Amino acid sequence: AQTVTQSQPEMSVQEAETVTLSCTYDTSESDYYLFWYKQPPSRQMILVIRQEAYKQQNATENRFSVNFQKAAKSFSLKISDSQLGDAAMYFCAYRSPDTGNQFYFGTGTSLTVIP
Amino acid sequence: GAVVSQHPSWVICKSGTSVKIECRSLDFQATTMFWYRQFPKQSLMLMATSNEGSKATYEQGVEKDKFLINHASLTLSTLTVTSAHPEDSSFYICSASSQGVLAKNIQYFGAGTRLSVL
Repeated sequence: AQTVTQSQPEMSVQEAETVTLSCTYDTSESDYYLFWYKQPPSRQMILVIRQEAYKQQNATENRFSVNFQKAAKSFSLKISDSQLGDAAMYFCAYRSPDTGNQFYFGTGTSLTVIP
Repeated sequence: GAVVSQHPSWVICKSGTSVKIECRSLDFQATTMFWYRQFPKQSLMLMATSNEGSKATYEQGVEKDKFLINHASLTLSTLTVTSAHPEDSSFYICSASSQGVLAKNIQYFGAGTRLSVL
């Protein structure tokens, strides 16, 4: 099974500043999908951003962007202009096209935003 | 975006009783639904994958007779915790995905169900 590693259990950022959350994964596949999900205190999982492995261009969604390094198997999330509402657990996830849409989740990074 | 409704959001039951949790995709047809369990401050642990009209595939270590999953339609899957015990207390989350254009192979999550077994 694929493994997803988030090496930062906790991170903090000052409001309006930028923070980067790291994620690495292990796979032998060439075609796959990567995701970042956010889980606020409400515990509702919210999709933040997704990246198809065949696309070289890094995905961007407003203040959220990724740095996808396929050769290094790295998929970091950058949050710009951090807001108080960004405080949450962030999970990196890997989806293989060959495992029936199953996701493999990292252990999560808890992000604190300091006013 | 696609919406997944999960009900109830919180249930408290006595030990030995059974509890049913519903997961509905409201605006798309979910060819596959997933059930996860999440312990406090931990990641999501996949329990089982269910495809409409077929038996669920359970992950290793998950008792299929304990956690009954039914995916009778393209919009509804249910998880029944049978003869619940205090160790079954946890947060259960469902998700749904579709091969269709709308969902684009993304998993959309319900809001979760907090189960407390007394």
